[in-house]
Amino acid sequence: DAGITQSPRHKVTETGTPVTLRCHQTENHRYMYWYRQDPGHGLRLIHYSYGVKDTDKGEVSDGYSVSRSKTEDFLLTLESATSSQTSVYFCAISERGGSHNEQFFGPGTRLTVL
Amino acid sequence: GIQVEQSPPDLILQEGANSTLRCNFSDSVNNLQWFHQNPWGQLINLFYIPSGTKQNGRLSATTVATERYSLLYISSSQTTDSGVYFCAVPSMDSNYQLIWGAGTKLIIKP
Repeated sequence: DAGITQSPRHKVTETGTPVTLRCHQTENHRYMYWYRQDPGHGLRLIHYSYGVKDTDKGEVSDGYSVSRSKTEDFLLTLESATSSQTSVYFCAISERGGSHNEQFFGPGTRLTVL
Repeated sequence: GIQVEQSPPDLILQEGANSTLRCNFSDSVNNLQWFHQNPWGQLINLFYIPSGTKQNGRLSATTVATERYSLLYISSSQTTDSGVYFCAVPSMDSNYQLIWGAGTKLIIKP
């Protein structure tokens, strides 16, 4: 299995509070991704990174920011959590980008915003 | 953009049965991935299969890129095969985005 961990695995927070989720990889892969999974919507890309300090927006990036200060860590921050951000968040990694990228997923973080 | 459709949406089988899951895609692709999301929510890579056939134990997959479909075969199903099976292909509009099918929910009864 790809060496990907996410922390925390579960979190309950209140509306308006900041939340940071961490993804850590031991594979030295260049590309990292954050997804959210909601019933009826499948997996949707929030942000991705194509190198240290290189990040870009995905299809559902509003309300989220990311940072990548070293290869192994990719952080997802909700500056002011809202109930619509209650979801399961997955981190993924890939060695290559482009049309040949094969993505491997972490175990997920279940976030509940009350 | 590219469309991905999976069928059937739901499948209920007895333990020991065989099954075939299908993934159709609307345009040429350079790769296709199959994933299994188990009942605990974990997404597990099954196959990275741009074309041809691959096998891993009781599972095998075939992608016919020229006809724009892929098949996932599960033989001698076990209850641990239950979950949702997704296929995903790269977006034509983004170098990093995957386009996901809606999944096939498989329930294996003991």
